[in-house]
Amino acid sequence: QQQVKQSPQSLIVQKGGISIINCAYENTAFDYFPWYQQFPGKGPALLIAIRPDVSEKKEGRFTISFNKSAKQFSLHIMDSQPGDSATYFCAAATYGGSQGNLIFGKGTKLSVKP
Amino acid sequence: NAGVTQTPKFQVLKTGQSMTLQCAQDMNHEYMSWYRQDPGMGLRLIHYSVGAGITDQGEVPNGYNVSRSTTEDFPLRLLSAAPSQTSVYFCASSYSTQSGPPLGEQYFGPGTRLTVT
Repeated sequence: QQQVKQSPQSLIVQKGGISIINCAYENTAFDYFPWYQQFPGKGPALLIAIRPDVSEKKEGRFTISFNKSAKQFSLHIMDSQPGDSATYFCAAATYGGSQGNLIFGKGTKLSVKP
Repeated sequence: NAGVTQTPKFQVLKTGQSMTLQCAQDMNHEYMSWYRQDPGMGLRLIHYSVGAGITDQGEVPNGYNVSRSTTEDFPLRLLSAAPSQTSVYFCASSYSTQSGPPLGEQYFGPGTRLTVT
């Protein structure tokens, strides 16, 4: 049973455009929602994360929007740049619980065309 | 700080061979974990450890063993490699409470690309 569903699988955006990646989760006990960015040949690295007590978090061009009632969260990349081309993974965890292991979505490959 | 290091970077094994993937971190993190990454499957947790001497199974533990004798090292052993274990393996570590769950960011190593023929 996949607990975190991510879409789309791939995304092509023109330079300067907005990239939007969506995730949906099933477990209402999740209380930590990070996004990881992975460049080819590298390990994933934390990009931005949100807790369910806020509906939005912004860091530079990257924004997480969180909808607790719909059990959905999304990553928005404003003014997308070719350097943003990477694979993005959403994840969820129960940090208030006893385990806390991250459950990852299947990833979105973003290509930003110049 | 070297962060999380993994060796080797690449490995080719024949079916039935055994090997150990090495992982080390110098951030004094209690929590460490192993993931495998396959195309279209995301990152799946193999095993994890909340401290030296404590390990547990993740989502896909079959065919893999781990041990944690020190805080710094968390090796992953393949006892009898199978083609289904062809994958990219990532080790990660994180701050945590004493023997507790990870808190915040997980730091990933650069990965080991394993091919089993």
